[in-house]
Amino acid sequence: AQRVTQPEKLLSVFKGAPVELKCNYSYSGSPELFWYVQYSRQRLQLLLRHISRESIKGFTADLNKGETSFHLKKPFAQEEDSAMYYCALRTTQGGSEKLVFGKGTKLTVNP
Amino acid sequence: GAGVSQSPSNKVTEKGKDVELRCDPISGHTALYWYRQRLGQGLEFLIYFQGNSAPDKSGLPSDRFSAERTGESVSTLTIQRTQQEDSAVYLCASSLQAGANEQYFGPGTRLTVT
Repeated sequence: AQRVTQPEKLLSVFKGAPVELKCNYSYSGSPELFWYVQYSRQRLQLLLRHISRESIKGFTADLNKGETSFHLKKPFAQEEDSAMYYCALRTTQGGSEKLVFGKGTKLTVNP
Repeated sequence: GAGVSQSPSNKVTEKGKDVELRCDPISGHTALYWYRQRLGQGLEFLIYFQGNSAPDKSGLPSDRFSAERTGESVSTLTIQRTQQEDSAVYLCASSLQAGANEQYFGPGTRLTVT
């Protein structure tokens, strides 16, 4: 079964504190994982993808195949990081492809 | 340049009525996706188009749901005989091609069935 689990529905931290948003996946194929973010009153947009191994807005995420995890981390949270974060797994099967999303984590960064 | 657009942005309809939701993908994007997000839930895949054909309709919840795409451009998602459980935000996304690294999302259509 293809599944993405984000165990925290809500996460609240203070500005300057480290933040980690958890994501675990279940997939029999070779995983391709993404983090999407939705700021207030904006559309869903890509934050980062594991293939690129990039840091965007100070966020990083490492794919750990042994633990089937793709946690999103930032060492020093900023107020503008407050948003909904979705972890997503791309699956391909029989000529089709889609993203399987977790239920999302609402991050609030307090001043 | 213009991103993915969807219309209407909001739709309130009575139970039993049919609704049609529209998606205009980014020009030149051959892959198009529909997702649904019910309150408190993650995004749920509905259907994928590569060009004008839909190799995967497995996510459509029932035979009341259908979708088409014409001219490798506009797509419409039709829900017949709407039910209250159809209330959700319907999101459309497009990507340059299948397997591309990013799906670009539209703003969504909020459907409320009363």
